[in-house]
Amino acid sequence: NAGVTQTPKFQVLKTGQSMTLQCAQDMNHEYMSWYRQDPGMGLRLIHYSVGAGITDQGEVPNGYNVSRSTTEDFPLRLLSAAPSQTSVYFCASSYSGPQGEQFFGPGTRLTVL
Amino acid sequence: GDSVTQMEGPVTLSEEAFLTINCTYTATGYPSLFWYVQYPGEGLQLLLKATKADDKGSNKGFEATYRKETTSFHLEKGSVQVSDSAVYFCALTTTGGFKTIFGAGTRLFVKA
Repeated sequence: NAGVTQTPKFQVLKTGQSMTLQCAQDMNHEYMSWYRQDPGMGLRLIHYSVGAGITDQGEVPNGYNVSRSTTEDFPLRLLSAAPSQTSVYFCASSYSGPQGEQFFGPGTRLTVL
Repeated sequence: GDSVTQMEGPVTLSEEAFLTINCTYTATGYPSLFWYVQYPGEGLQLLLKATKADDKGSNKGFEATYRKETTSFHLEKGSVQVSDSAVYFCALTTTGGFKTIFGAGTRLFVKA
């Protein structure tokens, strides 16, 4: 099993550009989530999904869109990047939702100039 | 709202020293509590968890006890190793909830 994979590992964008961060898992987990990690602030939940076709907002959803068309994939879209979105982004998945163990990907480091 | 507060780092210890990282929480209902660890350049990994009051989670020599009366979940290890150097995150998920709240993280450095 590859576990949770994320691409790209690093990305630099200019303000106003759009991009999609990819996340995939091969563990057949229904629950998937996106977090951003900023210094001194821990991880903050952006969006989550409890299954294909079902998504909901977390703590900091503004500026981000998600969709879940398959169990395996959960991409995160930045529609118009802003410097405030400079961060490290982690995708996670879990068999039993956030009550159970969440498996994290290696992260994507995004810089918006 | 729900929140997690953990001690600020960095914490610097010598090898074989005793470790305590404090964590307190605010939550409605009866949360599940977690400690995750992040090694340099990697994603987070679950270290241990506890789902109800007085439960003790343990793994790799680390322990934490769910204390409802003090709303705490302090992480302890009797003898740290250089390989324990990492960032440690305390977290909670409320019963029936779909969201996990993380603390700010505590960086641990262990010197040989």
